[in-house]
Amino acid sequence: EVQMVESGGGLGQPGGSLRLSCAASGFSISGYVMSWVRQAPGKGPEWVSGISASGGTAHYADSVKGRFTISRDNSKNALYLQMNSLRAEDTAVYYCAKEGQWFGTDWFDPWGQGTLVIVSS
Amino acid sequence: EIVLTQSPASLSLSPGERATLSCRASQSVNSYLAWYQQKPGQAPRLLIYDASKRATGIPPRFSGSGSGTDFTLTISSLQPEDFAVYFCQQRSNWPPYTFGQGTNLEIK
Repeated sequence: EVQMVESGGGLGQPGGSLRLSCAASGFSISGYVMSWVRQAPGKGPEWVSGISASGGTAHYADSVKGRFTISRDNSKNALYLQMNSLRAEDTAVYYCAKEGQWFGTDWFDPWGQGTLVIVSS
Repeated sequence: EIVLTQSPASLSLSPGERATLSCRASQSVNSYLAWYQQKPGQAPRLLIYDASKRATGIPPRFSGSGSGTDFTLTISSLQPEDFAVYFCQQRSNWPPYTFGQGTNLEIK
């Protein structure tokens, strides 16, 4: 069964840092673009960042550019999101999601169950 | 950035009725549009992709149509498990991929 499990969420201080992880099972992430998508309470999803299958190319939403860094370890079948300079507006459930082999060629399927990040003092 | 506008924001219907949900794009996305279903406490699940293709395991009562800027998700006869929030998403012009704000389908 294809599955992804996120971890690392919790309470973060404004200006602080958190690191999210996503462990995949049932498939090898090495063949796929992987993304982080977040959803603030009561809002629609917002794509945050994506990384190519090799890890050589990453894209970011303007709202997180320069603050968040996406990375992957294909040998561990894992995806990461380093979140720095946290802001209140980063509060959301963060999901990892599998895409296709290249950016922009497929849909988010499946998604992990999500991890909640709350930024508050 | 392409903005997706969903309507209505909320829809109250009874089981057995037909549901029609709309998604309008601020510029053409061709057929690069998907629909997701989200139930409380769960992640979104892919329902329809490429505007009209059902994802694996999705029952035929769900159908999608449209191209360019106007899209429709139709549920032909609502089942109790269909009451949820539905989002559209485009991948025609990225980054960023963008989502609509959702339609909350409620039991009347």
